[in-house]
Amino acid sequence: GAVVSQHPSWVICKSGTSVKIECRSLDFQATTMFWYRQFPKQSLMLMATSNEGSKATYEQGVEKDKFLINHASLTLSTLTVTSAHPEDSSFYICSARHGEGNYEQYFGPGTRLTVT
Amino acid sequence: GQNIDQPTEMTATEGAIVQINCTYQTSGFNGLFWYQQHAGEAPTFLSYNVLDGLEEKGRFSSFLSRSKGYSYLLLKELQMKDSASYLCAAMDSNYQLIWGAGTKLIIKP
Repeated sequence: GAVVSQHPSWVICKSGTSVKIECRSLDFQATTMFWYRQFPKQSLMLMATSNEGSKATYEQGVEKDKFLINHASLTLSTLTVTSAHPEDSSFYICSARHGEGNYEQYFGPGTRLTVT
Repeated sequence: GQNIDQPTEMTATEGAIVQINCTYQTSGFNGLFWYQQHAGEAPTFLSYNVLDGLEEKGRFSSFLSRSKGYSYLLLKELQMKDSASYLCAAMDSNYQLIWGAGTKLIIKP
């Protein structure tokens, strides 16, 4: 159990376009989902935390108008990278957490974004 | 501030034992996680410690000392497939994970 999927697994887009990444918890309800970004040979960097039905909480330095997060249901969160630039090229990983009492984060397989 | 320290890289021999250390400073503490991450893949859960002591799970064991702000991951009978990065993460009082930069473990035959 506790499977998280991401779609797409990789995407190439042109500068100035927008890309949407989906994160789904397949066999549990995720009250909280997290979005991370990871550059090569670096650790995970938390971008934002989203709770179902409320606005996401962004980490310092992450532009909320550029990285739009929607957590519309207990099994789906989306991250939209708007007006993408080459420096946005990275590995984007989501994770999901059960409700109270279980704080383990279950990670999706990640989405590799390349902006040309 | 909140901080996690772990070595950047370690090398060990196939069949041997290796210990990866992690020290943490967080605002409040609700447990310590270890994750394994192979290159190009997402992290996978290895262990969770919230009480002092050693938790053993097959070839992997994890230790925690809350008073010292210290944890280690012990890997026994190393296999080539254990070559990966090992991420230490401490959960703070808001139940947010504070991540270390990861330790790249290189296994040599």
